[in-house]
Amino acid sequence: EAGVTQSPTHLIKTRGQQATLRCSPISGHTSVYWYQQALGLGLQFLLWYDEGEERNRGNFPPRFSGRQFPNYSSELNVNALELEDSALYLCASSIGTSGGTTDTQYFGPGTRLTVL
Amino acid sequence: KNEVEQSPQNLTAQEGEFITINCSYSVGISALHWLQQHPGGGIVSLFMLSSGKKKHGRLIATINIQEKHSSLHITASHPRDSAVYICAVSSSDEKLTFGTGTRLTIIP
Repeated sequence: EAGVTQSPTHLIKTRGQQATLRCSPISGHTSVYWYQQALGLGLQFLLWYDEGEERNRGNFPPRFSGRQFPNYSSELNVNALELEDSALYLCASSIGTSGGTTDTQYFGPGTRLTVL
Repeated sequence: KNEVEQSPQNLTAQEGEFITINCSYSVGISALHWLQQHPGGGIVSLFMLSSGKKKHGRLIATINIQEKHSSLHITASHPRDSAVYICAVSSSDEKLTFGTGTRLTIIP
């Protein structure tokens, strides 16, 4: 069974541009989570999607947004990129039966975003 | 003060040693997760627990809800166990809050 996949692996953008990151969950999983891991910092929760709807978001500005498609894959968009947005962005999926963060999450390999 | 504190931040041990990593949290939780992150960034979920103890191979996780504390133990440690171990808690606001991680290095 395929795991969580993310694309691209690496992404280089310049300040002010927009970045789009993609995530495909494990087959059968309806929940997708996005996390940011900036260099030297811990993981921070960004967004949670379930059944096509945004269920929760972390303490990030509105220029971080996303969506979940009918096939449960998800996109994270970061507008007006700033240097401090450089980070590893991780996507995770879960089966979504009990809801929220009490399901085991399976992580993708991440997208490393560099903003120059 | 961080809501999730891990100790130690770094741990170096000889192969075969018994390893303990600690996690304390200050909020009410619905579950606690232990994650393993290898160099390059890949993360594996090791355990999710809300009470008691879980065991998987050489890994054991315990949680004491009253004391707001969890431990991850590794028996007969091996160099391939070298990784960053991260504790995360699920709270009532349905967000995962992460500790800063413990970097474990096992020397052959």
